[in-house]
Amino acid sequence: DIVMTQSPESLAVSLGERATINCKSSQSILYISNNRNYLVWYQKKQGQPPKPLIYWASTREIGVPDRFTGSGSGTDFTLTISSLQAEDVAVYYCQQYYSTPLTFGGGTKVEIK
Amino acid sequence: QVQLQESGPGLVKPSETLSLSCSVSGYSISSSSGYYWGWIRQPPGKGLEWIGNIYQSGRTYYNPPLKSRVTISLDMSKNQFSLQLNSVTVADTAVYYCARVTAKDGAGSGKFDSWGQGTLVTVSS
Repeated sequence: DIVMTQSPESLAVSLGERATINCKSSQSILYISNNRNYLVWYQKKQGQPPKPLIYWASTREIGVPDRFTGSGSGTDFTLTISSLQAEDVAVYYCQQYYSTPLTFGGGTKVEIK
Repeated sequence: QVQLQESGPGLVKPSETLSLSCSVSGYSISSSSGYYWGWIRQPPGKGLEWIGNIYQSGRTYYNPPLKSRVTISLDMSKNQFSLQLNSVTVADTAVYYCARVTAKDGAGSGKFDSWGQGTLVTVSS
């Protein structure tokens, strides 16, 4: 199984400041044949289902604000919120879809400082 | 736009079977080439756990720790799919989500692109 490890578990950031979330996979999730990383980022707000933000590690879903940026390749990935807004308070999860069993990171809780 | 909605009992006794359905609207599961249909759960205060996926052919893919207790099935006449989890314990208490899965390959893998709102199932006597 591919283990996904997120850090930090939580972070508090001032409005307008940058938030950085890390996700590490226990093995590469880069598919060599098409040079795509099979990693998705979700945003989960209290009482709501997860919402996909970014797939293939760096491609934003339609409608996702450009302050959300995904980066990384192989085993190390980052989700950056460039200028934190109040509506970004949520738990963020990474998930690999390179192979089954599909696995998620433990989540990172983002709060306002 | 596809929408999914979970339904089923909110309380199940230990050792009994948890049964949930997911009704799909805005998309026919019989024309789901390129998609799987999946279940995910989140125990209170914990992270997300994949339960399993099913393809339109009926082929299923389960998370190994749950495989011996899980059955996922399709009902194309009702445009819905279902989850059965046998021999439940308190550890199975969770919010259960159904989702559409954009397939990465033919081996059950993919990303969850549309989710139901989730339903809390409590296992208690």
